[in-house]
Amino acid sequence: DTAVSQTPKYLVTQMGNDKSIKCEQNLGHDTMYWYKQDSKKFLKIMFSYNNKELIINETVPNRFSPKSPDKAHLNLHINSLELGDSAVYFCASSQGVTGYEQYFGPGTRLTVT
Amino acid sequence: AQSVTQLDSHVSVSEGTPVLLRCNYSSSYSPSLFWYVQHPNKGLQLLLKYTSAATLVKGINGFEAEFKKSETSFHLTKPSAHMSDAAEYFCVVSDRGTGFQKLVFGTGTRLLVSP
Repeated sequence: DTAVSQTPKYLVTQMGNDKSIKCEQNLGHDTMYWYKQDSKKFLKIMFSYNNKELIINETVPNRFSPKSPDKAHLNLHINSLELGDSAVYFCASSQGVTGYEQYFGPGTRLTVT
Repeated sequence: AQSVTQLDSHVSVSEGTPVLLRCNYSSSYSPSLFWYVQHPNKGLQLLLKYTSAATLVKGINGFEAEFKKSETSFHLTKPSAHMSDAAEYFCVVSDRGTGFQKLVFGTGTRLLVSP
């Protein structure tokens, strides 16, 4: 009974390709996030959506485009993949924009060759 | 802006001995602080949180942390380590500067537990 799920778990692709990562939560939360974890395990927020509206957009290249079709889903599309995009991407959700408890998905390991 | 500093990148303990993972924070107002744990190839799990209630916070799996404003610290402790505690631990502060909560992560501490 997974709370926050992501697909795929692993993604290996070549430079220049376009790829998407999907995230779904069944917790009834109204706020969702994307984080990037680099090779040194450092985690940084990329985006946040509340009720399908973008509320946080960190300094992320515009090759990254999040899309939230409804409150339970937040997908991440990446155009023209670069080597530096290789990382683990985590989706998370919380209730409310000041929701303290964020629940994380299992992560998607993206490898760009 | 808020930030956290995890003072040790690695901590090694023997099973059954106490665990201490150190974290200092910087915040321009009363912070919310968290500890998350990440087991190998897994997502992050919330261990405990401090949100201006009791300064000694108890979490899951026997972990606890004490908020000390005078020392700007939020160290994580456990009286007796178990092999299953081996993981990466992140100290996290909530940045509400824009009115929206944004978690700011420390660089992590890897806990190694030997038999």
